[in-house]
Amino acid sequence: ETGVTQTPRHLVMGMTNKKSLKCEQHLGHNAMYWYKQSAKKPLELMFVYNFKEQTENNSVPSRFSPECPNSSHLFLHLHTLQPEDSALYLCASSQDGGKQLFFGSGTQLSVL
Amino acid sequence: AQSVTQLGSHVSVSEGALVLLRCNYSSSVPPYLFWYVQYPNQGLQLLLKYTTGATLVKGINGFEAEFKKSETSFHLTKPSAHMSDAAEYFCAADTGRRALTFGSGTRLQVQP
Repeated sequence: ETGVTQTPRHLVMGMTNKKSLKCEQHLGHNAMYWYKQSAKKPLELMFVYNFKEQTENNSVPSRFSPECPNSSHLFLHLHTLQPEDSALYLCASSQDGGKQLFFGSGTQLSVL
Repeated sequence: AQSVTQLGSHVSVSEGALVLLRCNYSSSVPPYLFWYVQYPNQGLQLLLKYTTGATLVKGINGFEAEFKKSETSFHLTKPSAHMSDAAEYFCAADTGRRALTFGSGTRLQVQP
């Protein structure tokens, strides 16, 4: 098992669909993060969870809904997305909110 | 305003040549600095980090970076490029937020 696993690797969805991205970390960390990576832009922090509590929401539209049921799992629920939401969504984890992040391979999302 | 600036979105070097990727940070940023690498279709992985102590930091795969407070820089170097070094490189800094702030990335091409 790799440290941080994301599924699915690729996702194509229509604007009216509802889908979820899943992230699981096997490192015993207690902080998890969602980042959005768009072409030619810096990585954008979306959400941070520390001990299952959301500690940061970086002004993300409500069509993105995170869920963190425990310290090992993180979900990103998607509904009524826009084409500009197409991007690579990266999950990461760290220990005690430390700044060394461990990333998953990402979900490449295309919204048609 | 972005706290981390990477100069040059694309850098091309010949195999065996020196690699120099530039990163500057804003002076208000605490000096916890990182370089991450992203290979195609993968997430980011840590190359090296500077927290305190020695200003020349050695990382994996022969890379190193030097923290220069007077120049607010943390440039990444490698004496001799290999084809396998072709990837995207991200500089990141601890800006006091919950998670790291990343630069826009520099894509390194290595020509045979």
